[in-house]
Amino acid sequence: DAEITQSPRHKITETGRQVTLACHQTWNHNNMFWYRQDLGHGLRLIHYSYGVQDTNKGEVSDGYSVSRSNTEDLPLTLESAASSQTSVYFCASSSRATRGTQYFGPGTRLLVL
Amino acid sequence: GENVEQHPSTLSVQEGDSAVIKCTYSDSASNYFPWYKQELGKRPQLIIDIRSNVGEKKDQRIAVTLNKTAKHFSLHITETQPEDSAVYFCAALTPGGSNYKLTFGKGTLLTVNP
Repeated sequence: DAEITQSPRHKITETGRQVTLACHQTWNHNNMFWYRQDLGHGLRLIHYSYGVQDTNKGEVSDGYSVSRSNTEDLPLTLESAASSQTSVYFCASSSRATRGTQYFGPGTRLLVL
Repeated sequence: GENVEQHPSTLSVQEGDSAVIKCTYSDSASNYFPWYKQELGKRPQLIIDIRSNVGEKKDQRIAVTLNKTAKHFSLHITETQPEDSAVYFCAALTPGGSNYKLTFGKGTLLTVNP
């Protein structure tokens, strides 16, 4: 069965370290997204991609970067982790045909000390 | 850009009662409105959606209504059960050629008391 996975599921890091969160989907979806979820803020879009070599900034992109070298993967990098980036991170994907129907990964819980 | 407001932020009902969650959107070009359910510690999952050319859609105990003129849409859950307890998110899809955008509301925590 097609799926979307994230790794690691839990991560503790220190302020200033670079961290990369992985997202891998086997749906063959063109569109991939990264969100962060914090109490009171819902799901906030960090970065998104509509295809290989395409990346775009979302509403809370400062301090984050992504790259899309193939259809299946969209890794999210925190260049220099800050305590304000402690959050739960969700990756999602959707097809070109059903853009609004996003399939979410299981999430990564990140704690920055 | 699109702005989606969702109310209430928390909702507590007795088992068997109905629950209604309301969302408003700002961009009249938005044409697709999905609802996601997120159980505690789990990922958001699509439960129902509605397109702008439809006024109402039902799936067993859940239904969604859309009023394009007023730019609001609602989720209705009848005969609530404890397993309906979750955070519910509404969203609006705004087309823009290849640069479409899905905007989420901030969520409603629904608690169904046995």
